[in-house]
Amino acid sequence: EAQVTQNPRYLITVTGKKLTVTCSQNMNHEYMSWYRQDPGLGLRQIYYSMNVEVTDKGDVPEGYKVSRKEKRNFPLILESPSPNQTSLYFCASKPSGSNEKLFFGSGTQLSVL
Amino acid sequence: DAKTTQPPSMDCAEGRAANLPCNHSTISGNEYVYWYRQIHSQGPQYIIHGLKNNETNEMASLIITEDRKSSTLILPHATLRDTAVYYCIVFNTNAGKSTFGDGTTLTVKP
Repeated sequence: EAQVTQNPRYLITVTGKKLTVTCSQNMNHEYMSWYRQDPGLGLRQIYYSMNVEVTDKGDVPEGYKVSRKEKRNFPLILESPSPNQTSLYFCASKPSGSNEKLFFGSGTQLSVL
Repeated sequence: DAKTTQPPSMDCAEGRAANLPCNHSTISGNEYVYWYRQIHSQGPQYIIHGLKNNETNEMASLIITEDRKSSTLILPHATLRDTAVYYCIVFNTNAGKSTFGDGTTLTVKP
């Protein structure tokens, strides 16, 4: 089944403890992106990647890192999480080309205490 | 970057058409308009997208004004299962940046 898989689904951590949220897609998509969603708001783009080894900042990149060493994986790294990074995170992917749709993962609910 | 503006909430009677507006007055020529919906906190579900022509698929129709500054998503026969938050997104698919609005909560009532 074609899908974007995020892990974990839920994560509770403490301030300052490094963590990684994984994202993997099995559709051979070139483009991948991370978003965060806070209560009552739309999704805000954190980082995106047009292809392997190519990453760019979205609207809210502060406090996050990403890497794209292989096409299928796009992990989101929080080197020193803070409570204001408590949020619902979504990963998405799409094929290259302008007229294609985004496929979203099921989300990761992160709580930083 | 283009911004999108949507009404925070709308109601619709079951079986009637739901018309959801979106303003994207700063959209540029190579940015697409996408519509997604989200039920509770699940991953957003694709509905439809377009560049400048009107589009229709099995779920909905998308009407984009000639100047591309606004669009309307039409659900032709709303059902209770269409109750969700609907997001209008402007997406520069060549450059990779996407901008979500804050969404419209559509409530379909019996």
